[in-house]
Amino acid sequence: NAGVMQNPRHLVRRRGQEARLRCSPMKGHSHVYWYRQLPEEGLKFMVYLQKENIIDESGMPKERFSAEFPKEGPSILRIQQVVRGDSAAYFCASSPMGTNTEAFFGQGTRLTVV
Amino acid sequence: GQQVMQIPQYQHVQEGEDFTTYCNSSTTLSNIQWYKQRPGGHPVFLIQLVKSGEVKKQKRLTFQFGEAKKNSSLHITATQTTDVGTYFCAGKSGNQGGKLIFGQGTELSVKP
Repeated sequence: NAGVMQNPRHLVRRRGQEARLRCSPMKGHSHVYWYRQLPEEGLKFMVYLQKENIIDESGMPKERFSAEFPKEGPSILRIQQVVRGDSAAYFCASSPMGTNTEAFFGQGTRLTVV
Repeated sequence: GQQVMQIPQYQHVQEGEDFTTYCNSSTTLSNIQWYKQRPGGHPVFLIQLVKSGEVKKQKRLTFQFGEAKKNSSLHITATQTTDVGTYFCAGKSGNQGGKLIFGQGTELSVKP
């Protein structure tokens, strides 16, 4: 059973470009969470999704950021018109039954905006 | 909104010394989870506590959940260099939907 797969591991984008971060949850997991981590900081909750539904997006910036978890395929975190402040590590986690069970984290995508 | 505070932010110990990190929530938690993140790595689940006053042990690690379910601690006895990393607590509040809110983490360094 493969773990949570995130790709790419490293992503470099110029200011104004779009960044697409992908997350394939563990097999059998229907709950996905996205977190952002700045250097030497904690994990900031962004969004919680369950297949085809956004359960909680209270941590998502109102503009430029969107997330989806389609019926088929990976969850996508999309950042439009990236700015330098978007540079961070973005972690995806999945769980089988919501946050009453452990969350399995992917290796993260390190986004650098130049 | 719910906040989870964790102290200290950094802890430097000599190998063999004990280490404790503390976690406090602004709201009552339905459960608390602890994760460890090695430098350059990703968070790895350690344990979940659910019951008021619960204590769980994993070898040299002892986890406690407060009676009021608003605080928790992780204690490591006789630290080893393999314990190096950042320890995060993460809490879920009953009235906060399903999201897990993480503390800022405590970065542990162990001097051999």
